[in-house]
Amino acid sequence: GIQVEQSPPDLILQEGANSTLRCNFSDSVNNLQWFHQNPWGQLINLFYIPSGTKQNGRLSATTVATERYSLLYISSSQTTDSGVYFCAVLFSGNTPLVFGKGTRLSVIA
Amino acid sequence: SAVISQKPSRDICQRGTSLTIQCQVDSQVTMMFWYRQQPGQSLTLIATANQGSEATYESGFVIDKFPISRPNLTFSTLTVSNMSPEDSSIYLCSVDFNGVTDTQYFGPGTRLTVL
Repeated sequence: GIQVEQSPPDLILQEGANSTLRCNFSDSVNNLQWFHQNPWGQLINLFYIPSGTKQNGRLSATTVATERYSLLYISSSQTTDSGVYFCAVLFSGNTPLVFGKGTRLSVIA
Repeated sequence: SAVISQKPSRDICQRGTSLTIQCQVDSQVTMMFWYRQQPGQSLTLIATANQGSEATYESGFVIDKFPISRPNLTFSTLTVSNMSPEDSSIYLCSVDFNGVTDTQYFGPGTRLTVL
């Protein structure tokens, strides 16, 4: 069946460090989104990236659709980056948005 | 994108009671969705709410437990009926502003605790 797998499940970083989060998906996609859920539960859109590379400040994302993975890069991490990062995929064939289990990031000062 | 609001932001309820959650968008949208996020878990789609038709429920969710209304293109409600402690979750609505890109945006969520 269709699957979205994220790694690592948990990550602890020292402030200022860089990190890479990975999202693997099992089939062709129409859409892929990265979200950050802050400690208050709010889901914040980071990227809409079904293919290619995008950058927004310290964050960037790359999706290689042919190899069925996406990467989220966080550079010079800050304590405010803490929270859960979700990858969500809209597979071809009009299926609902499927969320991965998330990567829980803790950035410590 | 536009502004999505939810009411209430949080509530504590007694088992056996029902709670209606409201989702308001400041522009018209075709597709609205309701998700549940159980503690420490990922998001699971409950149903898709389209204006003028009955909601479409995902496997494991039924209309009697989670009735949904969608009276117009800017508003929807989700009711959690006959609640039990297992219903304690964050409930989120989301919208797809642009059917071409299928990009979803989420409301701030309603944090529900059932005692």
